[in-house]
Amino acid sequence: NAGVTQTPKFRVLKTGQSMTLLCAQDMNHEYMYWYRQDPGMGLRLIHYSVGEGTTAKGEVPDGYNVSRLKKQNFLLGLESAAPSQTSVYFCASSYSLSLNTEAFFGQGTRLTVV
Amino acid sequence: KNQVEQSPQSLIILEGKNCTLQCNYTVSPFSNLRWYKQDTGRGPVSLTIMTFSENTKSNGRYTATLDADTKQSSLHITASQLSDSASYICVVSARFVGGNTPLVFGKGTRLSVIA
Repeated sequence: NAGVTQTPKFRVLKTGQSMTLLCAQDMNHEYMYWYRQDPGMGLRLIHYSVGEGTTAKGEVPDGYNVSRLKKQNFLLGLESAAPSQTSVYFCASSYSLSLNTEAFFGQGTRLTVV
Repeated sequence: KNQVEQSPQSLIILEGKNCTLQCNYTVSPFSNLRWYKQDTGRGPVSLTIMTFSENTKSNGRYTATLDADTKQSSLHITASQLSDSASYICVVSARFVGGNTPLVFGKGTRLSVIA
């Protein structure tokens, strides 16, 4: 059981470069999320998706774009990376947004922008 | 504004001792409260989930309590082990309405268990 898998695990980018982070889940979950985690701060929601073909902005969406072309995949793109986007990125998925549903997290992607 | 505050920020205890971590929230309308354990360099892993009607839930040596009236929760760890060293994150879910953030995360309590 893979659960939630993020690729890559580590990446160093130069300012202005672009990249895409991939999140894949094998639990047939409808809901998927991208968070960033910075020192001294809680996880903050970047974008989320409530189903294939739909996305929505979270708390800190600026500088990021997402796509959910397939139910099992949720892509996070940085078009022009900035040092402020240096962070650890976590993807998560869940069956629904509420009640007692579990949210499963990936192992994280550590991104450094120099 | 929906917020989750945790205390203490960090805690060091001796192996075998008990400890209690606190969580206060202002998330509304409340749906459920979760405690996650996050080991260094790993993603968060769920320990407990509690809804409005539940006031205590256990998972092995972890016991979470919830007082929905005062909007407070605690996580009690019994007979701590070295492997309990991690960050413990309180997460509160609001009932999804339009564009509301579905999960609100606290900053976590960093627990270190030493021999």
